[in-house]
Amino acid sequence: GQNIDQPTEMTATEGAIVQINCTYQTSGFNGLFWYQQHAGEAPTFLSYNVLDGLEEKGRFSSFLSRSKGYSYLLLKELQMKDSASYLCAVRGANAGKSTFGDGTTLTVKP
Amino acid sequence: DTAVSQTPKYLVTQMGNDKSIKCEQNLGHDTMYWYKQDSKKFLKIMFSYNNKELIINETVPNRFSPKSPDKAHLNLHINSLELGDSAVYFCASSQTPGGGASGELFFGEGSRLTVL
Repeated sequence: GQNIDQPTEMTATEGAIVQINCTYQTSGFNGLFWYQQHAGEAPTFLSYNVLDGLEEKGRFSSFLSRSKGYSYLLLKELQMKDSASYLCAVRGANAGKSTFGDGTTLTVKP
Repeated sequence: DTAVSQTPKYLVTQMGNDKSIKCEQNLGHDTMYWYKQDSKKFLKIMFSYNNKELIINETVPNRFSPKSPDKAHLNLHINSLELGDSAVYFCASSQTPGGGASGELFFGEGSRLTVL
């Protein structure tokens, strides 16, 4: 089976940097995804990691360490619109199936 | 044009009724999914179809029956609705079920089901 852990809530200040961690235990590994979900809306894709290291995409970066079962999403220059839930999802041995963590609700304050 | 569209967006019904949610994607993807998101925001996969063939069937009560008439459509029929079925149901699609970034999911806007 799969076990995915993320903090439930985080708060940060506009303009700051925040790191959202995700740890996982899976039987097999075929990639890790980060999604953003604003309240009342659908999740939208942010990033994908399958090899160790950092993937950078504008203000957002995602890091993966497969040996540690660990990933983080780094958000720089926070904006009020970044207030949302951030979901870590792992694709395990069944490559067709992504299992989601419970999500981290990020609140950005002025 | 909406990439993944599902109807209805809101559904309020009585316990014991039967209801359906429809989903269509115009992305040309081969794989479609149904996810359920409960009040605690936990997103859980229910079913997945690849090219009209069922490939994932999680532990879901058999009151839930998916149907894929073609690879662009995936519908969900729910019989004998129960209070615990109240949730947001998301349809999603991906280019393939296999490896690589092409496994990225594109979600519909969700269908909020409330069972009274």
